[in-house]
Amino acid sequence: TQLLEQSPQFLSIQEGENLTVYCNSSSVFSSLQWYRQEPGEGPVLLVTVVTGGEVKKLKRLTFQFGDARKDSSLHITAAQPGDTGLYLCAGAPIYNQGGKLIFGQGTELSVKP
Amino acid sequence: SAVISQKPSRDICQRGTSLTIQCQVDSQVTMMFWYRQQPGQSLTLIATANQGSEATYESGFVIDKFPISRPNLTFSTLTVSNMSPEDSSIYLCSVVRDTMNTEAFFGQGTRLTVV
Repeated sequence: TQLLEQSPQFLSIQEGENLTVYCNSSSVFSSLQWYRQEPGEGPVLLVTVVTGGEVKKLKRLTFQFGDARKDSSLHITAAQPGDTGLYLCAGAPIYNQGGKLIFGQGTELSVKP
Repeated sequence: SAVISQKPSRDICQRGTSLTIQCQVDSQVTMMFWYRQQPGQSLTLIATANQGSEATYESGFVIDKFPISRPNLTFSTLTVSNMSPEDSSIYLCSVVRDTMNTEAFFGQGTRLTVV
């Protein structure tokens, strides 16, 4: 069974600080996705990374896929209160079982003004 | 993207009863999934809803407890049967357009409380 270890589980920071969330596995994934979820809503896709070493930027968010496609990171620069939410990484298994995703444990981010 | 309507959005149920959750998608999709999520925690896959055949359940989940229907490519239901307080959770419907893409879209979830 492929697992995704996500850390940290909780993060409380002040507005303007930077932060990094990590997602690690001993297994290879064909792609990895990051989602953000707000209370009372379903997760919303932020980005998909597919190629080893790939870096994608979405405004103040930078996503990186490890060279071996086993790990990923999400870096937020100058965090704002609007960034508060649950961040989830999700990997598509290399054996690609019909579109199933494996989710990390999630990171609950709180950005205080 | 896909627009997914899930209902009810929340419910409080008595133990021993059953609740059916509906998931309606605005377009035909190949893959539909049902997840369970404890508040503030990650998602656990319950089953894959297969159109025209029995759902495929993950380890720890059984059809008698979580019967699933998928009569067509835009609609599915999940029933939580004979509920107990341990079933209190958020239940999410998800769709993936094709197995090569795997980008998932989610309904807003159903917050279930069993008393």
